[in-house]
Amino acid sequence: AQTVTQSQPEMSVQEAETVTLSCTYDTSENNYYLFWYKQPPSRQMILVIRQEAYKQQNATENRFSVNFQKAAKSFSLKISDSQLGDTAMYFCAFMKLTGGTSYGKLTFGQGTILTVHP
Amino acid sequence: DTEVTQTPKHLVMGMTNKKSLKCEQHMGHRAMYWYKQKAKKPPELMFVYSYEKLSINESVPSRFSPECPNSSLLNLHLHALQPEDSALYLCASSRDDRLYLGYEQYFGPGTRLTVT
Repeated sequence: AQTVTQSQPEMSVQEAETVTLSCTYDTSENNYYLFWYKQPPSRQMILVIRQEAYKQQNATENRFSVNFQKAAKSFSLKISDSQLGDTAMYFCAFMKLTGGTSYGKLTFGQGTILTVHP
Repeated sequence: DTEVTQTPKHLVMGMTNKKSLKCEQHMGHRAMYWYKQKAKKPPELMFVYSYEKLSINESVPSRFSPECPNSSLLNLHLHALQPEDSALYLCASSRDDRLYLGYEQYFGPGTRLTVT
């Protein structure tokens, strides 16, 4: 079974600064996918960024980038130029594919509550 | 359009009631999911449908009964629920075309369920 650990229950950052959220996972799989999802207060879960395990290059999406260290099983999220709208709970998620299908089960970490202060 | 819609937004029901949650997507996705989420906790997978067939049931109690009438619609029928079933119920969908692997899931806003 896979496990995903987010060791920072809460974090805060000043507007315009950079913050890094940590995520580690444990798996015996070689091919898998990793995601960061954002869930603002009372709002829906939004995909922030995804990373395919077979790709060495770290994924980037505008102000969001990841540091994917496959050997260390680490997948951290860096948010640059933090904005008030980034305030949310952030979930790291692992997906192993289910036998030849295009979808799989997501295993989520416990989440990190990020607060951006003006 | 990357929208997954869910109705109702809020639902209060007694333990003897029967109610249904509805989820709809028009992105052409063929995999649809139900999750249960307690406050400040991650979502827990309940069911997965692929091409309108139940693919995964995470040992969910029978008082929760999913249904996928067509490729755009997913229902969750509720009957004889317990107060501990109170939670946010999230629907999600993803592509499932067997051509590419590891499609991401798109989530709806959820239905906040309270069982009294």
